[in-house]
Amino acid sequence: NAGVTQTPKFQVLKTGQSMTLQCAQDMNHNSMYWYRQDPGMGLRLIYYSASEGTTDKGEVPNGYNVSRLNKREFSLRLESAAPSQTSVYFCASSPFAQGAGNTIYFGEGSWLTVV
Amino acid sequence: QKEVEQDPGPLSVPEGAIVSLNCTYSNSAFQYFMWYRQYSRKGPELLMYTYSSGNKEDGRFTAQVDKSSKYISLFIRDSQPSDSATYLCAMSRGSQGNLIFGKGTKLSVKP
Repeated sequence: NAGVTQTPKFQVLKTGQSMTLQCAQDMNHNSMYWYRQDPGMGLRLIYYSASEGTTDKGEVPNGYNVSRLNKREFSLRLESAAPSQTSVYFCASSPFAQGAGNTIYFGEGSWLTVV
Repeated sequence: QKEVEQDPGPLSVPEGAIVSLNCTYSNSAFQYFMWYRQYSRKGPELLMYTYSSGNKEDGRFTAQVDKSSKYISLFIRDSQPSDSATYLCAMSRGSQGNLIFGKGTKLSVKP
């Protein structure tokens, strides 16, 4: 029962480096999300994909790009990492594209440090 | 005023105590209310889900929604050390918009 799987779990980057966080879900969900969680700031939505082939900006999209590769996979790319992007990143999925409930199921998190 | 307000705590209680966790919100359009539990260095997991006003009970957990006061609560009866975690409230308008999360309340249940 994998649910939502994220890789890598831990990563240290130098300022200016690029990297991609990978996410896959095996629940046949339509919607997928990327959040970041910072102390005192709570969970903030970076990007989401309501269905395969669509992506939309969330609350804090600057400095990130996303790709919904297929229904299962949703990746987050940092093109030029900055120390302000040091955070814990969570991928999530939900069964509904939009509409009632929108209960979200999270992965285990990816701890990213930019030095 | 933020859309969702949640006291970050920390909250420390003895084992067996009744715990009350709360969130207030400002957007009267919210219809769906959730509580997530997040253990240290793990992702949040859905704990309770309610629609509109009223109560919902699941074992030792009870979720209450008072839309007239824009106030939601999570009660934990007979709290256990395994309940030690951060509890996040979340809510959505349903057909429009995504989940809005509170910042979480860190709970510690002492044996």
